[in-house]
Amino acid sequence: GDSVTQMEGPVTLSEEAFLTINCTYTATGYPSLFWYVQYPGEGLQLLLKATKADDKGSNKGFEATYRKETTSFHLEKGSVQVSDSAVYFCALKNGANNLFFGTGTRLTVIP
Amino acid sequence: DAGVIQSPRHEVTEMGQEVTLRCKPISGHNSLFWYRQTMMRGLELLIYFNNNVPIDDSGMPEDRFSAKMPNASFSTLKIQPSEPRDSAVYFCASCFTGSSGNTIYFGEGSWLTVV
Repeated sequence: GDSVTQMEGPVTLSEEAFLTINCTYTATGYPSLFWYVQYPGEGLQLLLKATKADDKGSNKGFEATYRKETTSFHLEKGSVQVSDSAVYFCALKNGANNLFFGTGTRLTVIP
Repeated sequence: DAGVIQSPRHEVTEMGQEVTLRCKPISGHNSLFWYRQTMMRGLELLIYFNNNVPIDDSGMPEDRFSAKMPNASFSTLKIQPSEPRDSAVYFCASCFTGSSGNTIYFGEGSWLTVV
């Protein structure tokens, strides 16, 4: 069945470091891919999305490219800030409107 | 624009009591989801409604859990009787089912503690 595998955390980085959080997926058909972010004590917010192969989603300095050949949607940011500390979830939405989440990766950015 | 609205934001209740969580989806959305989040299990889909009809309730843990959607603007998730292992954050989410790319929007969650 459809699923998402996400890099285990936690990840701790210094401010201004480069961030990569790996995400790979298994799906039949042509899913849409999402990254959600959850700040402490809050709900999930959409960070970015891509709906077809080779699309690049971007927001707040974060980017992810939908790679069909490697079934991946890795999240990257060139220079993280303390305010980026949160839990990041990779997600897949298939044609049946089912949304599958990864287990989440906790990011802590230290000054 | 108002997002998905959930209430209560926080609830502490005693074991055996009935708990009712409420959700108002975004206006115009025709799909509604209830999720549960715990440290041990992460995010779990409990039930999914489309046009007020339950489509998939395979994630509902047991008969103590029930969910209803009497109209397009309101849904409830009820736990009766509640148990300490039900302590979790319960998220409601909604979307418009038009294509697979439509985004699912989440409420801020109901933080439930059963003591």
